[in-house]
Amino acid sequence: GAGVSQSPRYKVAKRGQDVALRCDPISGHVSLFWYQQALGQGPEFLTYFQNEAQLDKSGLPSDRFFAERPEGSVSTLKIQRTQQEDSAVYLCASSLSGLYGNTIYFGEGSWLTVV
Amino acid sequence: AQSVTQLDSQVPVFEEAPVELRCNYSSSVSVYLFWYVQYPNQGLQLLLKYLSGSTLVESINGFEAEFNKSQTSFHLRKPSVHISDTAEYFCAVRSQGGSEKLVFGKGTKLTVNP
Repeated sequence: GAGVSQSPRYKVAKRGQDVALRCDPISGHVSLFWYQQALGQGPEFLTYFQNEAQLDKSGLPSDRFFAERPEGSVSTLKIQRTQQEDSAVYLCASSLSGLYGNTIYFGEGSWLTVV
Repeated sequence: AQSVTQLDSQVPVFEEAPVELRCNYSSSVSVYLFWYVQYPNQGLQLLLKYLSGSTLVESINGFEAEFNKSQTSFHLRKPSVHISDTAEYFCAVRSQGGSEKLVFGKGTKLTVNP
């Protein structure tokens, strides 16, 4: 597609429910990122893939958060047993590769509200 | 590790006035620097970036930013703003080697009033 596509755009989950957020990166992009943006804050790094390899997951806040990219294209961020503090916008981004500061392109985000 | 400080959380200005949005960073290694803009209900869009070479970089819509290594700053400026520039602006850094991840500041909300 023309840009990074995320679904669902909006999700309301009851506390304790599991959620899955999907990201379709720009075709051919090797690198894929997930960020979390709380209300009024800047995006915070969660995890990063190069193709199917998860190279950095240092930003995942707890073991309830899990991300995968099994075929090196589409990625899913899964949050188990959601809690109210998980309410945020989850941003997916992609870039051609890590070389020489390639531009990172962001999707419009998945807005998660935990009630 | 890197960190980014955007000193102003909100900047209100009148249309056609100049504006400067401040960004300072901290890093133990050389970095690339970026400004992203987020219009209401939209995703982040790259505004401009500094990779190397001339320390003054410009965007297509009249913004410019200057990399100052000694002051570890990358302030964003525009000589005359428009109502349509109303948005949130995020400064970000990434290391020149190692992880590709961007580290963002908390953002500055620019509001342009008529």
